[in-house]
Amino acid sequence: KNEVEQSPQNLTAQEGEFITINCSYSVGISALHWLQQHPGGGIVSLFMLSSGKKKHGRLIATINIQEKHSSLHITASHPRDSAVYICAVEKGAQKLVFGQGTRLTINP
Amino acid sequence: DADVTQTPRNRITKTGKRIMLECSQTKGHDRMYWYRQDPGLGLRLIYYSFDVKDINKGEISDGYSVSRQAQAKFSLSLESAIPNQTALYFCATSDLPGREEQFFGPGTRLTVL
Repeated sequence: KNEVEQSPQNLTAQEGEFITINCSYSVGISALHWLQQHPGGGIVSLFMLSSGKKKHGRLIATINIQEKHSSLHITASHPRDSAVYICAVEKGAQKLVFGQGTRLTINP
Repeated sequence: DADVTQTPRNRITKTGKRIMLECSQTKGHDRMYWYRQDPGLGLRLIYYSFDVKDINKGEISDGYSVSRQAQAKFSLSLESAIPNQTALYFCATSDLPGREEQFFGPGTRLTVL
């Protein structure tokens, strides 16, 4: 079983919908990262969090340390949000273990 | 200019050839990483370095070697390329542990025939 599991693996929605991507992990962590990979392949860091909640524009990330679970929410989704969203946990020494990613497609 | 650059961006080579992928960064970060990405498997750590004199193996280091020539440069070598090393390779950097995200290069798409 992977140490980091994301769900769903694929998600298709209509523009404007509220999106939730989930990440569960099975190990102790010092931080959790959410990354975005665009169709061209480039990877951008969205959030790094170790507790609570962070918000940036239409994106919100939450983490529950006790339940070993994090969610990434996108409000008022837009076709430009279409990408692969990757959850990664930091186990120590700033080494990341990655989930397999969630492919999000937002249709106009 | 990009903070983390990788060269080449695309490379097609033959089995048995030696290949070097290069990564340079202008962020002034001490920590650098090499990952590979395969469809359905996510990103996996190959090697990492926390300063110029520090080299550490990741989870899939067999068949690879690295060199940290300077704080800003971290190269990945495939001594004798094989087809199952066909993948997308990413370099990344980070600064303070637990305080800052990792910054990724644009990736190198390597195909071994």
